[in-house]
Amino acid sequence: LAKTTQPISMDSYEGQEVNITCSHNNIATNDYITWYQQFPSQGPRFIIQGYKTKVTNEVASLFIPADRKSSTLSLPRVSLSDTAVYYCLVGDSGNTGKLIFGQGTTLQVKP
Amino acid sequence: DTAVSQTPKYLVTQMGNDKSIKCEQNLGHDTMYWYKQDSKKFLKIMFSYNNKELIINETVPNRFSPKSPDKAHLNLHINSLELGDSAVYFCASSPGGASYNEQFFGPGTRLTVL
Repeated sequence: LAKTTQPISMDSYEGQEVNITCSHNNIATNDYITWYQQFPSQGPRFIIQGYKTKVTNEVASLFIPADRKSSTLSLPRVSLSDTAVYYCLVGDSGNTGKLIFGQGTTLQVKP
Repeated sequence: DTAVSQTPKYLVTQMGNDKSIKCEQNLGHDTMYWYKQDSKKFLKIMFSYNNKELIINETVPNRFSPKSPDKAHLNLHINSLELGDSAVYFCASSPGGASYNEQFFGPGTRLTVL
């Protein structure tokens, strides 16, 4: 599975838009890009997934350029409750179910 | 309703003991997983079962033995506990075995070995 690289930490203020970029230079043709969120003392939670271009849901947007070697998770107007660790993962379409979580990005939202 | 539940939430025990962690999902999913999250917050997959059949078995000491009595349950038994086993263990489930399927995680079991 492709390895991902993302910033270890980011700070933001309430109401700002936060963009977290993830590099996955060795992404394979069949790989999807998935982001999970983990609050302290909780299990990770699926946020968004995409294959190419742009995906948007009620929580976030995911931007994927044409070469798919990176992706950007965009959180609009963050609040204190968005303080969490955000993981970028790539996984193939094979039936392995294997996800490799990296270090993640610890987002700290300040008042 | 809790989708993926684990018991116990906290487990404190002595080195050398044997302990079990139970996991149940009420989502009707076919695939269940065990992950370990260490003190540095790295989350690593240990096992995966699909319809009670083991499909992923990472490099985990054989002191760890998963058991799936049915599709809704995946328990983790640990023999001869060691200090390095201290971690948070997460159970998860997904509707299929593919890595693009959304995985639903339980609340975690914090294991402390003294």
